[in-house]
Amino acid sequence: DGGITQSPKYLFRKEGQNVTLSCEQNLNHDAMYWYRQDPGQGLRLIYYSQIVNDFQKGDIAEGYSVSREKKESFPLTVTSAQKNPTAFYLCASSAGTLSYNEQFFGPGTRLTVL
Amino acid sequence: KNEVEQSPQNLTAQEGEFITINCSYSVGISALHWLQQHPGGGIVSLFMLSSGKKKHGRLIATINIQEKHSSLHITASHPRDSAVYICAATTGNQFYFGTGTSLTVIP
Repeated sequence: DGGITQSPKYLFRKEGQNVTLSCEQNLNHDAMYWYRQDPGQGLRLIYYSQIVNDFQKGDIAEGYSVSREKKESFPLTVTSAQKNPTAFYLCASSAGTLSYNEQFFGPGTRLTVL
Repeated sequence: KNEVEQSPQNLTAQEGEFITINCSYSVGISALHWLQQHPGGGIVSLFMLSSGKKKHGRLIATINIQEKHSSLHITASHPRDSAVYICAATTGNQFYFGTGTSLTVIP
């Protein structure tokens, strides 16, 4: 079955630690995205990648980093510089970045900083 | 001001009722998406439309480009329709998301 997987589903981190969230897709999609969701707010774009070895900052990239070494993988690292990292993180992919391309979402990772 | 506004924020309906969720946007768009987010958090794309109307089962989505408004209708609502429905407007490669409408359908 084609789809997007994210792991882990729940993640706990101590303050000051970096943590990496995994996102893998087997849809052969070129574009991948990371969003953050907070209660009462819409999804906000952290980073996106249109092609392997290339990625662009979204609206709230500060305190986050990504890599795109393989087409199917787009891991997100939440660094200690992110002041309020507790949130629900969603990864998505699409065939391209043009607006008529449907985005497919992963199940999400809920990160809690202790 | 958000580029995408949804109403209502919360909605409770009896099973079988006809439901309407509204979305207004302020940006020039090339497509409008309706998404469904279940309590576990996963998101499913329901519709993508740039004009007119689309129907899938009991769900109908309409868009009026001149008025910058879209609606999602659910006919014969069922408890399994309980979820958060999110409207997203896209311009080129930029997505603007609404804050979502939380729907609860009571048996």
